[in-house]
Amino acid sequence: AQSVTQLDSQVPVFEEAPVELRCNYSSSVSVYLFWYVQYPNQGLQLLLKYLSGSTLVKGINGFEAEFNKSQTSFHLRKPSVHISDTAEYFCAVSSPSGYSTLTFGKGTMLLVSP
Amino acid sequence: DTAVSQTPKYLVTQMGNDKSIKCEQNLGHDTMYWYKQDSKKFLKIMFSYNNKELIINETVPNRFSPKSPDKAHLNLHINSLELGDSAVYFCASSQDAGPRNTIYFGEGSWLTVV
Repeated sequence: AQSVTQLDSQVPVFEEAPVELRCNYSSSVSVYLFWYVQYPNQGLQLLLKYLSGSTLVKGINGFEAEFNKSQTSFHLRKPSVHISDTAEYFCAVSSPSGYSTLTFGKGTMLLVSP
Repeated sequence: DTAVSQTPKYLVTQMGNDKSIKCEQNLGHDTMYWYKQDSKKFLKIMFSYNNKELIINETVPNRFSPKSPDKAHLNLHINSLELGDSAVYFCASSQDAGPRNTIYFGEGSWLTVV
């Protein structure tokens, strides 16, 4: 069984500051890792994903994440946030075999203020 | 054009009623899903269909019955609604059922049972 822990339920930050949203996972097998963003009253949108290869993954809107196998982490970072980045961010894992069944973390609300 | 569209967006209904949520995707994808997001924003897969065939059926009460008339449509019918069914239901799709794929989500259907 897999699980995802997002350590922070809410992260307040000022505009133009850097941010890191933490994600740790638990799995007995290798995994695929995803970050999705949910803007208010909208569906989820993929930010980035790690399948294999380079452990540093770049996504949309200036976000990037680094896969760290030894620490079983996949933290999301952005060097300078905008007001428009205010949203709920979900980390998710999937087993690389079988059908797609994303297991989501409980989400981190990123609150960007001026 | 909206890639994954679901209707209705908001639904308020009384306990014991039966309701349906419709979903359509125009991405030409083979696989469609229903996810449930509870009041704490926790997301969990309910069902997955690949080319109209049910491939994932999580531990969901029998009152929930998905139907896929063709691979572009996946509807969700709920019988005898209960207070605990109040949630946001997301329809989603992906190119195929493999775990590498990006999942595209609809904007959600907010179901409130009173």
